[in-house]
Amino acid sequence: GAVVSQHPSWVICKSGTSVKIECRSLDFQATTMFWYRQFPKQSLMLMATSNEGSKATYEQGVEKDKFLINHASLTLSTLTVTSAHPEDSSFYICSALRGSTDTQYFGPGTRLTVL
Amino acid sequence: GENVEQHPSTLSVQEGDSAVIKCTYSDSASNYFPWYKQELGKRPQLIIDIRSNVGEKKDQRIAVTLNKTAKHFSLHITETQPEDSAVYFCAPKDGGSNYKLTFGKGTLLTVNP
Repeated sequence: GAVVSQHPSWVICKSGTSVKIECRSLDFQATTMFWYRQFPKQSLMLMATSNEGSKATYEQGVEKDKFLINHASLTLSTLTVTSAHPEDSSFYICSALRGSTDTQYFGPGTRLTVL
Repeated sequence: GENVEQHPSTLSVQEGDSAVIKCTYSDSASNYFPWYKQELGKRPQLIIDIRSNVGEKKDQRIAVTLNKTAKHFSLHITETQPEDSAVYFCAPKDGGSNYKLTFGKGTLLTVNP
């Protein structure tokens, strides 16, 4: 159990366009999900905490108007990268909390390349 | 916020040897201490975790020890195998109730056959 999926697994887009990434908990409900960004050979950096039915909480330095997060159901959170630029190219990974446990289950990640 | 340091950044061992990775943290209220394994291009996978009410936990070849007084916890892998080669991250949970994890910079473990 505790399977998290992401879609798409990779995407290539032109500079200035927007890209939406979906994160789904397949076999459990998740009131809280997290979005991370990981640059090559670096660690995971938390971007924001996504809470079902309320506004996301963004980490310091993360532009909320550029990285739009929506958590409209207990199994789905979306991250939209608006007006993407080459510096936004990265590996975006989501995670989900199951119940009231501390354990985060991670999605497989989405590789975004902005040309 | 939590400050996390992880050492070493790279570790190379011979198959069958043991490997130890150490993580120090700053938030004295942290109470949950997981270790994740990430293979290249894949998702982080939880391999073991420990809570603050115990000092050690073992799962076959993997163990985690916690020293809350000194604010550090360590990952121990015995009888290493080539498939253990990966990047390992510690990620102590922030002391607040927001369930946030702060990831260390990672340790690249290479197990040589």
